[in-house]
Amino acid sequence: QVQLRESGPGLVKPSETLSLTCVVSGASISYGHYWAWVRQPPGKGLEWIGSINYGGTTYYTSSLESRVTISVDPSKNQFSLKLTSVTSADTAVYYCAKTISSSRGISDYWGQGTLVTVSS
Amino acid sequence: DIQMTQSPSTLSASVGDRVTITCRASQSIGLWMAWYQQKPGKAPKLLIQRASNLESGVPSTFSGSGSGTDFTLTISSLQPDDLATYYCQQYQTNSFTFGQGTKLEIK
Repeated sequence: QVQLRESGPGLVKPSETLSLTCVVSGASISYGHYWAWVRQPPGKGLEWIGSINYGGTTYYTSSLESRVTISVDPSKNQFSLKLTSVTSADTAVYYCAKTISSSRGISDYWGQGTLVTVSS
Repeated sequence: DIQMTQSPSTLSASVGDRVTITCRASQSIGLWMAWYQQKPGKAPKLLIQRASNLESGVPSTFSGSGSGTDFTLTISSLQPDDLATYYCQQYQTNSFTFGQGTKLEIK
């Protein structure tokens, strides 16, 4: 059974960098799927952030592309998200997820999500 | 980016009802549509991919249809466990945009 778990600070100050890591178990991150980040502001809908494969090929949503970096560490079976210059609009539950084999952005396994609040 | 418009935003129905949620894409996406169910406080669950392909373990009361720009998610007989918010997501392009969600309430 594939399991994903997000970790990172729950509170980030405005203008600083949000950093999260997703540890994958039950599947090798090198298998060939893409690995994605999706976020959800409190009480609002889902927003796809981006995805990466084991070789480091990335895809990002255009609205965040200038501030986001997704990286992968196959040796630790984990991938990470960095979002720079955060504001209160970046307050959200952040999910990491595994994508299906035929897509870089449709996800069949998800982490439980982690709430990141941007506040001074 | 492709915009996805779901309707209705909220839907109230009774157990046993047939329920339909629609999603319209701002341009043709072929069959590259997925549907998710998200229960309160939980991560989304993939229900359907490629417009009509039911994921393993998803009850057969769920079905998807459509192509091009217009898609529907149908629950043939609403059950109490179906209380959730439902999202569509396109994967024709690398923007992978979601619809704004349809909150399903049980009367």
